[in-house]
Amino acid sequence: AQSVAQPEDQVNVAEGNPLTVKCTYSVSGNPYLFWYVQYPNRGLQFLLKYITGDNLVKGSYGFEAEFNKSQTSFHLKKPSALVSDSALYFCAVRDNTNAGKSTFGDGTTLTVKP
Amino acid sequence: DGGITQSPKYLFRKEGQNVTLSCEQNLNHDAMYWYRQDPGQGLRLIYYSQIVNDFQKGDIAEGYSVSREKKESFPLTVTSAQKNPTAFYLCASSMTSGSSYEQYFGPGTRLTVT
Repeated sequence: AQSVAQPEDQVNVAEGNPLTVKCTYSVSGNPYLFWYVQYPNRGLQFLLKYITGDNLVKGSYGFEAEFNKSQTSFHLKKPSALVSDSALYFCAVRDNTNAGKSTFGDGTTLTVKP
Repeated sequence: DGGITQSPKYLFRKEGQNVTLSCEQNLNHDAMYWYRQDPGQGLRLIYYSQIVNDFQKGDIAEGYSVSREKKESFPLTVTSAQKNPTAFYLCASSMTSGSSYEQYFGPGTRLTVT
């Protein structure tokens, strides 16, 4: 069975500081990894993904994530946080043998203070 | 505009009544999904479908039913057998080939059953 862990329910950072939102996963086979963001009372928006290739992937709004196979991690990062980055962030994993089914983490609430 | 629509945004029902949530997409995606979101529990998969006239149970299918008669549409019925139906319901779609497996989400329907 595949699973995702987001160990922090809440991350607080000051505007302009770097941010990291952590994600670890467990899956059989090669993982497909995703980050999504959810603003209040809205659906999720796709941020970035790792399918294959470079371990560092870049996505929307200046976010990036690093795939680390040995640590089974896919942490979301941004060099300089904005107040508008405050939202709920979800990590998701899908393996290439479990066709069509992704598993989501419980989410991490990011708060960026001015 | 391409995207996923869910209607209605808010839905109120009395206990014991079945209710159907609408989900339509014009992205020409083969796969569609229904998730339930509860506070602090992330997204839980209810049902998913990779092709017309076929669908599979997700992790919490009991008390729910779906149909996939058209590629564009994937309605979810919350039956009276669902013990705790009050939640935020999200529909999503994705491609099933290439490397574009990210999911696109609708705005959600908030169901309240009293």
